[in-house]
This record gives sequence, C-alpha cells and structure tokens, in this order.
Amino acid sequence: LAKTTQPISMDSYEGQEVNITCSHNNIATNDYITWYQQFPSQGPRFIIQGYKTKVTNEVASLFIPADRKSSTLSLPRVSLSDTAVYYCLVGLSGYSSASKIIFGSGTRLSIRP
Amino acid sequence: NAGVTQTPKFRVLKTGQSMTLLCAQDMNHEYMYWYRQDPGMGLRLIHYSVGEGTTAKGEVPDGYNVSRLKKQNFLLGLESAAPSQTSVYFCASWGGENTEAFFGQGTRLTVV
Repeated sequence: LAKTTQPISMDSYEGQEVNITCSHNNIATNDYITWYQQFPSQGPRFIIQGYKTKVTNEVASLFIPADRKSSTLSLPRVSLSDTAVYYCLVGLSGYSSASKIIFGSGTRLSIRP
Repeated sequence: NAGVTQTPKFRVLKTGQSMTLLCAQDMNHEYMYWYRQDPGMGLRLIHYSVGEGTTAKGEVPDGYNVSRLKKQNFLLGLESAAPSQTSVYFCASWGGENTEAFFGQGTRLTVV
C-alpha cells in the first residue's frame, strides 16, 4: 500500500487559494488518488479523485504530475467553512490488494477572517 | 437514501462489558470498513470486509471482532471493553474502483 505524506497543518485567510500537497512515492500503477475532508465530530466526506493530470469539480481541483509521485489539492477562494482536516488517500483501485482504505494523519487547515 | 447508518450514536460502557456496533448501508456496496478515531488523530482501520461473508484485519484489530453475514450490514463487536477503546468509531462503505467511499456519522463510545 502506498504511504502518503502531507503537512500536519496549514493556515490561510478567507478568499485565498490554498494548495495542499501530498507525497506518495510508491504509488502503484492502478492506484487512484482521493482526497477527503473531515469536520469535527463528522465522518470524512469525499472531495475529489483523480488518476493523472488535472481533475476539477465544483469544490476543488486536483493536480497530478506525470510521475504521479505527488498530488496537490487546490481549494479556490477559501472561506471559514473550509476549516477542516484534509486527507490524501492512495489506492482504491478495486483490486483486492488495494481494498484497504488507510488514512494518514491528514492536514489540519485553519482559515482565518 | 440513507447511505451509511451507524447504531448507536453514543454509548457508555463499563470496563469488561460487551457491545455490538451496527453499520448498515443501502448502496449495495461490496466493501465495508470500521475505523476508530482518537481525539486529534487520524482514522485507524480496525477491520474491513470485501464482500458478504468475508472479513479481514486492519491496522488495529486487537480487542475487536466483526461479522458480515449480510451484504448491507457490518457489525463491530467488543467482547470485553477496556478504557483504551474509548474513541469515536466510523463505518464506511465503498462500491469499488473509481468511486467514492461513504462514511457514517460516527459512534462515540466511552468506556469507564
């Protein structure tokens, strides 16, 4: 299983763009990269998933370089409600060896007014 | 569409008591998971299941047992609760490749 490394915490201000980078040096060929958001006292919530290049949805963008050894979650124009813990997961390819969903320690993002 | 439902939401146990946490999903997902989350920490995988009738150990399986007799339900059992098992427990289900996993709202368990 690919291990992920993220910054423990980040701070930013309302209206700024926030980029959180995740390293996954031993990502497997079939692995997807998925990001989850967790608010206090709630279960994690899916944000975005990608395999290569760039993926964008109404909430965020995910940038994945050609070697796929890292990925960057980009949150445009953050607000106070984006204060949460963000987890980068690698795997979820559907193969039995990758069916464990293992969370790292995540990045605690704090947004200030 | 309920998604993933955990029962109960809160529970206080005395040391040595037993209990079962129920996770139910209505999305016909093959994969189901149980996690624990201690204050200020990330989620740690306890046990998981890749289909009805199957279970497997995760990162921290000791002190817990699980069963998946029906596809839609995944039960987590504590045979003899210990204070170290005080935590918030989350259940998740996943439909497979290129899909997202869905999480329940959590069960806050306190063992005194």
